[in-house]
Amino acid sequence: QVQLQESGPGLVKPSETLSLTCTVSGGSISSYFWSWIRQPPGKGLEWIGYIYYTGSTNYNPSLKSRVTISLDMSKNQFSLKLSSVTAADTAVYYCARRSLTTGGAFDIWGQGTMVTVSS
Amino acid sequence: DIQMTQSPSTLSASVGDRVTITCRASQSINNWLAWYQQKPGKAPKILIYKASSLESGVPSRFSGGGSGTEFTLNISSLQPDDFATYYCQQYKSHSTFGQGTKLKIK
Repeated sequence: QVQLQESGPGLVKPSETLSLTCTVSGGSISSYFWSWIRQPPGKGLEWIGYIYYTGSTNYNPSLKSRVTISLDMSKNQFSLKLSSVTAADTAVYYCARRSLTTGGAFDIWGQGTMVTVSS
Repeated sequence: DIQMTQSPSTLSASVGDRVTITCRASQSINNWLAWYQQKPGKAPKILIYKASSLESGVPSRFSGGGSGTEFTLNISSLQPDDFATYYCQQYKSHSTFGQGTKLKIK
């Protein structure tokens, strides 16, 4: 079955760029939308954006100026870059598959990776 | 942006109870709504999509209803494994989550 695994630094300095990668195993990255979602400690979920396997993207308007999502079909991976981070970007970051069957809900999630923004 | 408002924020109930969680959208989202269950330290798990369709493998005691701007998640007979936080999500325009409902043991 398809599994997702996030990877990347757990600590990022303020004003720098947060970079995370999601590796898709057990299935192809083709024919799906792939998303990033985050959750600050003790708080709710915030959708960051998604990328279609064709490379087209859609971002949360509140983060759009700082976010880039890209994919590497050869490695079955997609990535998140969030620039100019502050303490408010401290969160667990999840990657997830946006399912066609559900019409766009997130049916498969990674386990999440905690990223702390601190000097 | 479409805002999602869940109620209540916290709900105390006992095993065997029937509970209902409500989610309201700031504008019509037709039936583009999903419900998720999240346990501490874990990723959310999808329960319901398209407002009322049960995800494969999810127990039938979970059901969803509604359309337009008002939606409900019902759990017919609470089991010990059901005590968790529940989120609604609209996916008509971009994606927005509700603030969550924490279901606690009474």
